[in-house]
Amino acid sequence: DAGITQSPRHKVTETGTPVTLRCHQTENHRYMYWYRQDPGHGLRLIHYSYGVKDTDKGEVSDGYSVSRSKTEDFLLTLESATSSQTSVYFCAISESTVSTQYFGPGTRLTVL
Amino acid sequence: AQTVTQSQPEMSVQEAETVTLSCTYDTSESNYYLFWYKQPPSRQMILVIRQEAYKQQNATENRFSVNFQKAAKSFSLKISDSQLGDTAMYFCAFVWGLGGSQGNLIFGKGTKLSVKP
Repeated sequence: DAGITQSPRHKVTETGTPVTLRCHQTENHRYMYWYRQDPGHGLRLIHYSYGVKDTDKGEVSDGYSVSRSKTEDFLLTLESATSSQTSVYFCAISESTVSTQYFGPGTRLTVL
Repeated sequence: AQTVTQSQPEMSVQEAETVTLSCTYDTSESNYYLFWYKQPPSRQMILVIRQEAYKQQNATENRFSVNFQKAAKSFSLKISDSQLGDTAMYFCAFVWGLGGSQGNLIFGKGTKLSVKP
């Protein structure tokens, strides 16, 4: 199994509070991704990174920001959480743009 | 726009039998890759099988095989000798290379498969 961890695994927070989710990899893969999974939507890309300090937006990036200061860590921040951001968040990694993406265990976030 | 359609929201199969999950996709790209992922109740996303579009031979992984019809843009998954542990959500996905949102895996909405004893 690819070495990918996510923290926290579960979080409950209140509307308007900032939240940061962390993805950590031990595979030294160049590409890292954040997806959200919602019923009826499958997984949708929020942001991705193609190197240290190199990031770009995905399909559903509004309300989210990311940072990658080290190869192994990719952070997802909700500056001011809203109830619509209640979801399960997955981190993924890959060696190249078309390599298989391997997923972390997911973080269940509930915004009250 | 690139899309992936899984037309079967739910399916069930008896243990030891064979089941086929359907997937169609729409893309104008010529260089792309197709995947099936499995998500059991543990929520972990697990790669089942991968197919390169430039390869004519259908991919197989033990009891899992695909029927890749490039002209029809169809990518179905066949599970032989179904086991209780195959109970999961199955997602079809594809990614294309060169330009655009590189590495953006496009997912279908999933098929929930139940294997009954």
